[in-house]
Amino acid sequence: EIVLTQSPATLSLSPGERATLSCRASQSVSNYLAWYQQKPGQAPRLLIYDASNRATGIPARFSGSGSGTDFTLTISSLEPEDFALYYCQQRSNWPPLTFGGGTKVEIK
Amino acid sequence: EVQLVESGGDLVQPGGSLRLSCAASGFTFSTYSMNWVRQAPGKGLEWISYISSSSSAIKYADSVKGRFTISRDNAKNSLYLQMNSLRDEDTAVYYCASPLVGVTTVGTTFGYWGQGTLVTVSS
Repeated sequence: EIVLTQSPATLSLSPGERATLSCRASQSVSNYLAWYQQKPGQAPRLLIYDASNRATGIPARFSGSGSGTDFTLTISSLEPEDFALYYCQQRSNWPPLTFGGGTKVEIK
Repeated sequence: EVQLVESGGDLVQPGGSLRLSCAASGFTFSTYSMNWVRQAPGKGLEWISYISSSSSAIKYADSVKGRFTISRDNAKNSLYLQMNSLRDEDTAVYYCASPLVGVTTVGTTFGYWGQGTLVTVSS
């Protein structure tokens, strides 16, 4: 099973600041990695698929990079609605499809 | 507009059974694989099952294998999850999820999600 480790667990930032979230895989997942955003009481929303492709309707301030075992989600300038939980997910070697433990982006 | 609507969640005793449904609309359901993903209260996301468009390929997480059965009815645009021998640790919100319809047919990236249905296993 591929284990995804997200860091940091919590990121405290102010609106307008840049957010950098990390996801590390226990073995190579090539570029088969996705990022999701989840707000309290809501279902997750796909942001990025295959490491760097923005999903439909996702603002350009969200970008993804990386390959192999190290991946980054960057939010270039945080908007108030971006404070949420973020998960990475791999589809390279499955079953099982696995998620990281999440990073909470909170208002400083 | 893609819509996924889950139903069937309830309070059930340990050892009991439950059947979840997911009604799909806004896309050609029969051409896309589907998944179930769950989230225990206050916890992260856990994939539990996948079914291909024709039901020819079915996969499960080890945590539910032998107890849960995924199925679909393409004529009814519906996905199902039969849950047997339920345990306390199965308590979670259960989501059905589709690929990113219209962009990719890859069934293992979750492009659209339902609102979820809560299953509580408790005596």
